[in-house]
Amino acid sequence: AQKITQTQPGMFVQEKEAVTLDCTYDTSDQSYGLFWYKQPSSGEMIFLIYQGSYDEQNATEGRYSLNFQKARKSANLVISASQLGDSAMYFCAMSPRSGGYNKLIFGAGTRLAVHP
Amino acid sequence: DGGITQSPKYLFRKEGQNVTLSCEQNLNHDAMYWYRQDPGQGLRLIYYSQIVNDFQKGDIAEGYSVSREKKESFPLTVTSAQKNPTAFYLCASSPRDRGPDTQYFGPGTRLTVL
Repeated sequence: AQKITQTQPGMFVQEKEAVTLDCTYDTSDQSYGLFWYKQPSSGEMIFLIYQGSYDEQNATEGRYSLNFQKARKSANLVISASQLGDSAMYFCAMSPRSGGYNKLIFGAGTRLAVHP
Repeated sequence: DGGITQSPKYLFRKEGQNVTLSCEQNLNHDAMYWYRQDPGQGLRLIYYSQIVNDFQKGDIAEGYSVSREKKESFPLTVTSAQKNPTAFYLCASSPRDRGPDTQYFGPGTRLTVL
């Protein structure tokens, strides 16, 4: 079965510290994409970062990096130097080739709270 | 500015009524998607369309219908057959390059059945 698991319902972090949000995935596909999205209280889903299954380097986008460990099937999001505006829900998602790359399979999300 | 718009932001429906949610994009993307989000959960795919005049069912298509007459538009109709329609509905689009596509989302429509 194709599945995304986010085991941390909620996380707290102090402003300016780094935080890691966990994501593990399950797929028998060799080709897939992994994504992280941020959902603030307004509801829209904001794309943060993408990692392809064949990419050897971990993806980085500004303060966001994706710690990709293929053998462990994990794709953790690292946010460096947290800001108050980072408080939101964070979703990990996968796009497998067997779905024609059409479907994004989402985890249940992690709620991040950044404290001053 | 390029982006995806959804309207209305809030929608109230009486039981037994059909309602249509609007989704428009000016990103020149080929593919469009509809997702449903229930409280405390991730998104689930309702329908998707890779090209004009073609669309496919997602995981939870029952009680919903779509059309794709124009590249820019992908309206979703929530019919009276949908047993539990109260949810947050998100539309997305992607360029349909080869391989995994990044999907970009609109601001969402919150539907409440009275």
